[in-house]
Amino acid sequence: AQKVTQAQTEISVVEKEDVTLDCVYETRDTTYYLFWYKQPPSGELVFLIRRNSFDEQNEISGRYSWNFQKSTSSFNFTITASQVVDSAVYFCALSEVYNTDKLIFGTGTRLQVFP
Amino acid sequence: EAQVTQNPRYLITVTGKKLTVTCSQNMNHEYMSWYRQDPGLGLRQIYYSMNVEVTDKGDVPEGYKVSRKEKRNFPLILESPSPNQTSLYFCASSPKTGTDTQYFGPGTRLTVL
Repeated sequence: AQKVTQAQTEISVVEKEDVTLDCVYETRDTTYYLFWYKQPPSGELVFLIRRNSFDEQNEISGRYSWNFQKSTSSFNFTITASQVVDSAVYFCALSEVYNTDKLIFGTGTRLQVFP
Repeated sequence: EAQVTQNPRYLITVTGKKLTVTCSQNMNHEYMSWYRQDPGLGLRQIYYSMNVEVTDKGDVPEGYKVSRKEKRNFPLILESPSPNQTSLYFCASSPKTGTDTQYFGPGTRLTVL
Protein backbone atom coordinates (compact mmCIF):
# COMPACT_ATOMS: atom_id res chain seq x y z
CA ALA A 1 0.00 0.00 0.00
CA GLN A 2 1.16 3.52 -0.68
CA LYS A 3 1.87 5.77 2.23
CA VAL A 4 3.77 8.95 2.97
CA THR A 5 4.92 9.74 6.49
CA GLN A 6 6.00 13.15 7.69
CA ALA A 7 6.80 12.46 11.31
CA GLN A 8 7.60 16.06 12.19
CA THR A 9 4.32 17.79 12.88
CA GLU A 10 5.81 21.17 13.66
CA ILE A 11 9.31 22.65 13.59
CA SER A 12 10.38 26.03 14.90
CA VAL A 13 13.67 27.65 14.00
CA VAL A 14 15.25 31.05 14.17
CA GLU A 15 16.05 32.87 10.97
CA LYS A 16 19.28 31.83 9.24
CA GLU A 17 19.20 28.35 10.74
CA ASP A 18 19.21 25.38 8.40
CA VAL A 19 16.25 23.04 8.70
CA THR A 20 15.47 19.61 7.28
CA LEU A 21 11.97 18.29 6.75
CA ASP A 22 11.74 14.52 6.67
CA CYS A 23 9.63 12.45 4.30
CA VAL A 24 9.45 8.66 4.28
CA TYR A 25 7.34 6.80 1.74
CA GLU A 26 6.07 3.29 1.13
CA THR A 27 5.31 1.86 -2.28
CA ARG A 28 5.36 -1.48 -4.06
CA ASP A 29 5.88 0.19 -7.42
CA THR A 30 9.35 0.41 -8.90
CA THR A 31 8.40 3.50 -10.88
CA TYR A 32 6.97 6.40 -8.98
CA TYR A 33 7.21 10.14 -8.47
CA LEU A 34 7.80 12.18 -5.37
CA PHE A 35 6.72 15.75 -4.82
CA TRP A 36 7.01 18.57 -2.36
CA TYR A 37 4.42 21.32 -2.05
CA LYS A 38 4.44 24.44 0.09
CA GLN A 39 1.30 25.87 1.70
CA PRO A 40 1.97 29.39 3.01
CA PRO A 41 -0.39 31.05 5.50
CA SER A 42 -2.45 32.38 2.59
CA GLY A 43 -3.52 28.80 1.94
CA GLU A 44 -2.64 28.04 -1.66
CA LEU A 45 -0.54 25.02 -2.59
CA VAL A 46 2.69 25.84 -4.36
CA PHE A 47 4.57 23.19 -6.28
CA LEU A 48 8.26 22.91 -5.34
CA ILE A 49 9.69 19.77 -6.93
CA ARG A 50 8.88 16.55 -8.75
CA ARG A 51 11.37 13.71 -8.78
CA ASN A 52 11.10 10.30 -10.44
CA SER A 53 12.26 7.11 -8.79
CA PHE A 54 15.11 6.55 -11.25
CA ASP A 55 16.78 9.84 -10.57
CA GLU A 56 18.56 9.69 -7.23
CA GLN A 57 20.67 12.75 -7.75
CA ASN A 58 20.25 15.38 -5.13
CA GLU A 59 18.74 18.62 -6.32
CA ILE A 60 19.50 22.16 -5.28
CA SER A 61 17.45 25.22 -6.09
CA GLY A 62 18.71 28.32 -4.37
CA ARG A 63 18.33 27.80 -0.63
CA TYR A 64 16.31 24.63 -1.16
CA SER A 65 17.79 21.18 -1.57
CA TRP A 66 16.36 17.70 -1.72
CA ASN A 67 17.97 14.43 -0.75
CA PHE A 68 16.43 11.33 -2.32
CA GLN A 69 17.57 8.01 -0.87
CA LYS A 70 15.89 4.97 -2.32
CA SER A 71 17.63 2.66 0.15
CA THR A 72 15.80 4.28 3.05
CA SER A 73 12.69 5.33 1.09
CA SER A 74 13.22 8.93 2.03
CA PHE A 75 12.95 12.23 0.20
CA ASN A 76 14.06 14.89 2.64
CA PHE A 77 13.89 18.62 2.07
CA THR A 78 16.44 21.07 3.47
CA ILE A 79 16.13 24.82 3.65
CA THR A 80 19.46 26.56 4.14
CA ALA A 81 19.61 29.89 5.94
CA SER A 82 15.88 29.91 6.61
CA GLN A 83 13.87 33.10 6.32
CA VAL A 84 10.59 34.23 7.82
CA VAL A 85 8.97 33.86 4.39
CA ASP A 86 9.71 30.13 4.55
CA SER A 87 7.09 29.78 7.30
CA ALA A 88 4.49 27.44 5.86
CA VAL A 89 3.16 23.92 5.92
CA TYR A 90 5.15 21.64 3.66
CA PHE A 91 3.67 18.51 2.14
CA CYS A 92 5.47 15.55 0.68
CA ALA A 93 3.49 13.42 -1.80
CA LEU A 94 3.83 10.22 -3.81
CA SER A 95 2.33 9.11 -7.11
CA GLU A 96 2.81 5.67 -8.62
CA VAL A 97 2.99 5.02 -12.35
CA TYR A 98 0.72 1.97 -12.14
CA ASN A 99 -1.76 3.78 -9.95
CA THR A 100 -1.81 7.04 -11.83
CA ASP A 101 -4.97 8.46 -10.46
CA LYS A 102 -3.79 10.34 -7.43
CA LEU A 103 -1.26 11.96 -5.22
CA ILE A 104 -0.83 10.41 -1.80
CA PHE A 105 0.00 13.19 0.62
CA GLY A 106 1.75 13.12 3.93
CA THR A 107 0.14 14.94 6.82
CA GLY A 108 2.44 17.92 6.43
CA THR A 109 5.08 19.65 8.53
CA ARG A 110 4.42 23.14 9.81
CA LEU A 111 7.60 25.20 9.74
CA GLN A 112 7.76 28.39 11.75
CA VAL A 113 10.74 30.64 11.21
CA PHE A 114 11.14 33.32 13.84
CA PRO A 115 13.09 36.54 13.26
CA GLU B 1 -2.03 33.37 -17.16
CA ALA B 2 -2.14 29.61 -16.66
CA GLN B 3 -4.30 28.89 -13.67
CA VAL B 4 -6.88 26.80 -11.88
CA THR B 5 -9.79 28.78 -10.50
CA GLN B 6 -12.34 27.78 -7.90
CA ASN B 7 -15.54 29.42 -6.81
CA PRO B 8 -16.63 30.29 -4.27
CA ARG B 9 -13.54 30.76 -2.12
CA TYR B 10 -15.56 30.73 1.08
CA LEU B 11 -18.97 29.26 1.75
CA ILE B 12 -21.07 28.83 4.86
CA THR B 13 -24.17 26.73 4.40
CA VAL B 14 -26.62 24.59 6.34
CA THR B 15 -27.07 20.85 6.46
CA GLY B 16 -28.94 19.46 3.50
CA LYS B 17 -28.75 22.46 1.18
CA LYS B 18 -27.30 21.36 -2.14
CA LEU B 19 -24.23 23.22 -3.31
CA THR B 20 -21.73 23.21 -6.15
CA VAL B 21 -18.11 24.28 -6.07
CA THR B 22 -16.84 25.11 -9.52
CA CYS B 23 -13.37 24.41 -10.83
CA SER B 24 -11.94 25.57 -14.12
CA GLN B 25 -8.50 25.34 -15.72
CA ASN B 26 -7.17 27.12 -18.80
CA MET B 27 -4.20 24.87 -19.53
CA ASN B 28 -6.00 22.27 -21.66
CA HIS B 29 -5.16 19.64 -19.05
CA GLU B 30 -6.73 16.20 -19.32
CA TYR B 31 -6.46 15.21 -15.67
CA MET B 32 -8.42 16.97 -12.93
CA SER B 33 -8.96 16.06 -9.33
CA TRP B 34 -10.62 17.17 -6.10
CA TYR B 35 -9.00 16.93 -2.68
CA ARG B 36 -10.10 17.84 0.78
CA GLN B 37 -7.71 19.01 3.47
CA ASP B 38 -8.40 18.35 7.13
CA PRO B 39 -6.16 19.05 10.13
CA GLY B 40 -3.81 16.18 10.86
CA LEU B 41 -4.90 14.26 7.76
CA GLY B 42 -3.17 16.08 4.93
CA LEU B 43 -4.96 16.11 1.59
CA ARG B 44 -7.15 13.24 0.51
CA GLN B 45 -8.52 12.66 -2.95
CA ILE B 46 -12.30 12.79 -3.40
CA TYR B 47 -12.76 12.22 -7.15
CA TYR B 48 -10.65 12.47 -10.24
CA SER B 49 -11.14 12.64 -13.98
CA MET B 50 -8.78 11.43 -16.67
CA ASN B 51 -10.66 13.22 -19.44
CA VAL B 52 -14.08 14.41 -20.57
CA GLU B 53 -16.83 12.05 -19.38
CA VAL B 54 -14.27 9.89 -17.50
CA THR B 55 -14.49 10.18 -13.73
CA ASP B 56 -13.72 7.86 -10.84
CA LYS B 57 -13.76 7.74 -7.07
CA GLY B 58 -10.80 8.64 -4.95
CA ASP B 59 -10.28 7.74 -1.32
CA VAL B 60 -13.16 9.69 0.25
CA PRO B 61 -15.99 9.97 -2.32
CA GLU B 62 -18.99 9.49 -0.01
CA GLY B 63 -21.37 12.44 -0.11
CA TYR B 64 -19.87 13.97 -3.25
CA LYS B 65 -20.59 13.93 -6.97
CA VAL B 66 -18.65 15.28 -9.91
CA SER B 67 -19.10 15.71 -13.62
CA ARG B 68 -16.76 16.41 -16.53
CA LYS B 69 -18.79 17.56 -19.48
CA GLU B 70 -16.09 19.91 -20.77
CA LYS B 71 -12.35 19.57 -20.56
CA ARG B 72 -11.82 22.81 -18.64
CA ASN B 73 -14.50 22.36 -15.95
CA PHE B 74 -14.79 19.88 -13.10
CA PRO B 75 -17.47 20.89 -10.59
CA LEU B 76 -17.82 19.27 -7.18
CA ILE B 77 -21.40 18.73 -6.05
CA LEU B 78 -22.59 18.16 -2.52
CA GLU B 79 -26.19 16.99 -2.84
CA SER B 80 -26.95 17.05 0.88
CA PRO B 81 -24.04 18.54 2.81
CA SER B 82 -23.39 17.46 6.37
CA PRO B 83 -21.17 19.00 9.07
CA ASN B 84 -18.48 16.35 8.51
CA GLN B 85 -17.96 17.84 5.05
CA THR B 86 -16.71 21.06 6.61
CA SER B 87 -13.24 21.26 5.14
CA LEU B 88 -10.84 23.05 2.81
CA TYR B 89 -11.30 21.84 -0.75
CA PHE B 90 -8.76 21.98 -3.54
CA CYS B 91 -9.16 21.36 -7.22
CA ALA B 92 -6.10 20.38 -9.22
CA SER B 93 -5.19 19.68 -12.81
CA SER B 94 -2.27 18.13 -14.66
CA PRO B 95 -1.44 17.53 -18.32
CA LYS B 96 -2.22 13.80 -18.46
CA THR B 97 -2.22 11.78 -15.22
CA GLY B 98 -1.73 11.89 -11.48
CA THR B 99 2.02 11.38 -11.92
CA ASP B 100 2.38 14.68 -13.73
CA THR B 101 2.81 17.81 -11.68
CA GLN B 102 -0.60 18.83 -10.40
CA TYR B 103 -1.41 22.50 -10.22
CA PHE B 104 -3.83 23.51 -7.54
CA GLY B 105 -6.59 26.06 -7.34
CA PRO B 106 -6.67 28.56 -4.47
CA GLY B 107 -8.97 26.42 -2.32
CA THR B 108 -12.56 26.69 -1.11
CA ARG B 109 -13.23 26.81 2.59
CA LEU B 110 -16.60 25.22 3.26
CA THR B 111 -18.46 25.30 6.56
CA VAL B 112 -21.61 23.23 6.96
CA LEU B 113 -23.70 24.16 10.00
